Amino acid sequence: KQEVTQIPAALSVPEGENLVLNCSFTDSAIYNLQWFRQDPGKGLTSLLLIQSSQREQTSGRLNASLDKSSGRSTLYIAASQPGDSATYLCAVSGDRGGSEKLVFGKGTKLTVNP
Amino acid sequence: ETGVTQTPRHLVMGMTNKKSLKCEQHLGHNAMYWYKQSAKKPLELMFVYNFKEQTENNSVPSRFSPECPNSSHLFLHLHTLQPEDSALYLCASSQSRGNTIYFGEGSWLTVV
Repeated sequence: KQEVTQIPAALSVPEGENLVLNCSFTDSAIYNLQWFRQDPGKGLTSLLLIQSSQREQTSGRLNASLDKSSGRSTLYIAASQPGDSATYLCAVSGDRGGSEKLVFGKGTKLTVNP
Repeated sequence: ETGVTQTPRHLVMGMTNKKSLKCEQHLGHNAMYWYKQSAKKPLELMFVYNFKEQTENNSVPSRFSPECPNSSHLFLHLHTLQPEDSALYLCASSQSRGNTIYFGEGSWLTVV
């Protein structure tokens, strides 16, 4: 059974700092890995999707890497801003593909202090 | 605005009540999902519908009854719930076998 772990559970940093969020998964037979952002009391917004054949994806100040064989992914946020404060969730989909079997981690709650 | 709309946003119900959560997507997707998000637990998949057919029931208790009348609408009928069912219920949609999944804002449910 796939399990996804995110460390740390919470992180507080000063504005402008570069930071890394970690995600690990137990079964390397994945189709893709996604990073989501969730603001308090809201739904999830997809940030980056990495296919199992890819090593990384970039969007603006965000860079996500994937090491499938070791079961790890990182989300790098450059020059953090208070608006980045949110919970970041990592999810993996099974090797059948698609979003039907997304397994989520518990998330990392990020606070960026002005 | 993600294209997935959920109503109501907040619901308080007694354990003997019957209520329904509604989800509508305007993205032309053919797969829809219900997820449950409880405090301090990972997001849990409840049900998956593809082309109106249920393709996944993740061992959800029968007091939760989904309904998908067409590819754009998804309901979650609630009956004789327990206080531990209080949670944020999230609806999502995607293309079948698609990668990008879009979530609604969620319905906060409190069972008293």
